[in-house]
Amino acid sequence: KQEVTQIPAALSVPEGENLVLNCSFTDSAIYNLQWFRQDPGKGLTSLLLIQSSQREQTSGRLNASLDKSSGRSTLYIAASQPGDSATYLCAVHGSGNTGKLIFGQGTTLQVKP
Amino acid sequence: EPEVTQTPSHQVTQMGQEVILRCVPISNHLYFYWYRQILGQKVEFLVSFYNNEISEKSEIFDDQFSVERPDGSNFTLKIRSTKLEDSAMYFCASSERGFGDGYTFGSGTRLTVV
Repeated sequence: KQEVTQIPAALSVPEGENLVLNCSFTDSAIYNLQWFRQDPGKGLTSLLLIQSSQREQTSGRLNASLDKSSGRSTLYIAASQPGDSATYLCAVHGSGNTGKLIFGQGTTLQVKP
Repeated sequence: EPEVTQTPSHQVTQMGQEVILRCVPISNHLYFYWYRQILGQKVEFLVSFYNNEISEKSEIFDDQFSVERPDGSNFTLKIRSTKLEDSAMYFCASSERGFGDGYTFGSGTRLTVV
């Protein structure tokens, strides 16, 4: 059974710092991995989608990497800003005849001005 | 950018009452999903829907839950007799091609059962 874990659970950094959020999954047989942002009480905003054949994806100050064989992904945020404060979720789309995403519990990021 | 729209944003209901949560997926998407997030817990899968039928459901999705696509645009989740433990944020999502595609989520409906 696929399990997704995110470390750390919470992170507080000063504005301008570069940071890395970690996601690990137990079953390397995945179609893709998606990173989401969730603001308090709000929905999920897709940030980056990495297919199983890809190593990384970039969007602006965000870079996500995927090492499928070791069951790990990282989300790198460059030059963090207070507006980046949110919970970041990773979710894997398992292989096989399933359409569901398995989510981690998230990393809550606070960027202090 | 196309959006998944959910209504209402917040619903309060008495225990035992029926509720219907509504979603309008992105128009050219073919795969539809419901997820829920109990406060402080992980987002968890409920059901996937394709070609007018359920393609997969979780253990949570028991007989009190049902989904329907009553017309070409709406996708609904019905809970027949709500329980206190059904209180959660319910998210609708859609995907153009399913496997290998990213999912677009709606902003959610917060259901509070009292």
